[in-house]
Amino acid sequence: EAQVTQNPRYLITVTGKKLTVTCSQNMNHEYMSWYRQDPGLGLRQIYYSMNVEVTDKGDVPEGYKVSRKEKRNFPLILESPSPNQTSLYFCASSQKGLAGVANTGELFFGEGSRLTVL
Amino acid sequence: AQSVSQHNHHVILSEAASLELGCNYSYGGTVNLFWYVQYPGQHLQLLLKYFSGDPLVKGIKGFEAEFIKSKFSFNLRKPSVQWSDTAEYFCAVNARSGGYQKVTFGIGTKLQVIP
Repeated sequence: EAQVTQNPRYLITVTGKKLTVTCSQNMNHEYMSWYRQDPGLGLRQIYYSMNVEVTDKGDVPEGYKVSRKEKRNFPLILESPSPNQTSLYFCASSQKGLAGVANTGELFFGEGSRLTVL
Repeated sequence: AQSVSQHNHHVILSEAASLELGCNYSYGGTVNLFWYVQYPGQHLQLLLKYFSGDPLVKGIKGFEAEFIKSKFSFNLRKPSVQWSDTAEYFCAVNARSGGYQKVTFGIGTKLQVIP
């Protein structure tokens, strides 16, 4: 079954304690992205990756890091979490687009990871 | 940069009522348009998409959307809603930005259908 898998699904942590949210997809997609969802703000892109070892900032990258060492995995790292990073996080992937474009724009989402930072 | 506006943030309807959710985008070039749905406690799923061709797009569960280029709009419609349509609906637009399609989401519309 084609899917995007995130772990953990729920996490409560304390300020400053490093954490990693993993994301894995089994669709051989080159493009992957992280979003955070907050009430009244919709989904905002944190980071994206067009391919292995190719990552770039989205609209709200502050306080986050990512890596893309393998095509299927795209972990989100919070080096020193703060309460304003309490949110619902979604990983998404997309298949390759036409004419050399990294993605089609149609996104396949993971189940989400609800993070609370105290 | 593109932006997406969803006009109704919270809509309450009775079962069998008709639904129309507004979505406008701002971007001068070629775009692809999407509606995603998020059922309570679940992840976002694609409802329908427009890439090219017939501007009236039909999606799953009886939903449809019409792309009106002159109005920069992509409104979602359903003639008769059901209680199971209770969810949050997101309009999204993607536009070419360098080597990838940047996807921008609206803030979402929460639909509550009363039995």
